[in-house]
Amino acid sequence: DAGITQSPRHKVTETGTPVTLRCHQTENHRYMYWYRQDPGHGLRLIHYSYGVKDTDKGEVSDGYSVSRSKTEDFLLTLESATSSQTSVYFCAISESPRASGKVDTQYFGPGTRLTVL
Amino acid sequence: AQKITQTQPGMFVQEKEAVTLDCTYDTSDPSYGLFWYKQPSSGEMIFLIYQGSYDQQNATEGRYSLNFQKARKSANLVISASQLGDSAMYFCAMAGANNLFFGTGTRLTVIP
Repeated sequence: DAGITQSPRHKVTETGTPVTLRCHQTENHRYMYWYRQDPGHGLRLIHYSYGVKDTDKGEVSDGYSVSRSKTEDFLLTLESATSSQTSVYFCAISESPRASGKVDTQYFGPGTRLTVL
Repeated sequence: AQKITQTQPGMFVQEKEAVTLDCTYDTSDPSYGLFWYKQPSSGEMIFLIYQGSYDQQNATEGRYSLNFQKARKSANLVISASQLGDSAMYFCAMAGANNLFFGTGTRLTVIP
């Protein structure tokens, strides 16, 4: 199993409060991703990182920011949480999206269940 | 834009029987990859199998095989000899430029 941890695993917060989720990897993979999972939508990409301090937006980035100050850590921040951000958040890692013409597999962390009241 | 469609919200299979989970995709990219992930009730996403668009043979990993029909744009997952532990959600995904596009999943229930 890929060495990916997420913290916290569960969090309940109130609308309007800031929240930061952490993803930590021990695989030294270059790429890291944040997804959210909602019923009826599968997983959708929020943001991703292709190196230290290099990040880009995904499909559902509004209301989220990310930071990556070192290879092993990728932080997801909800500046002012809303009830629509209640979801399960997954971090994933890969060596590269496409390496030598072959698509690289993404491996997922255990997920964080976030509830915004 | 890539799109993944899983039309079976739920499937049932008898233990020890084979089952096929459907997945169709749409993309204009000539080079792409298709994945299947398993999500048991505990919630983690487990990588099962990968198929590249230029791979000549269908991918296999133990009891999992991918029935890849490029002309039909389908990438169905076949699980042989189902086990009770196979009960889970199964997601088909396609690799985009920098992320995965997921289908909505199929819930498989294995009946003893």
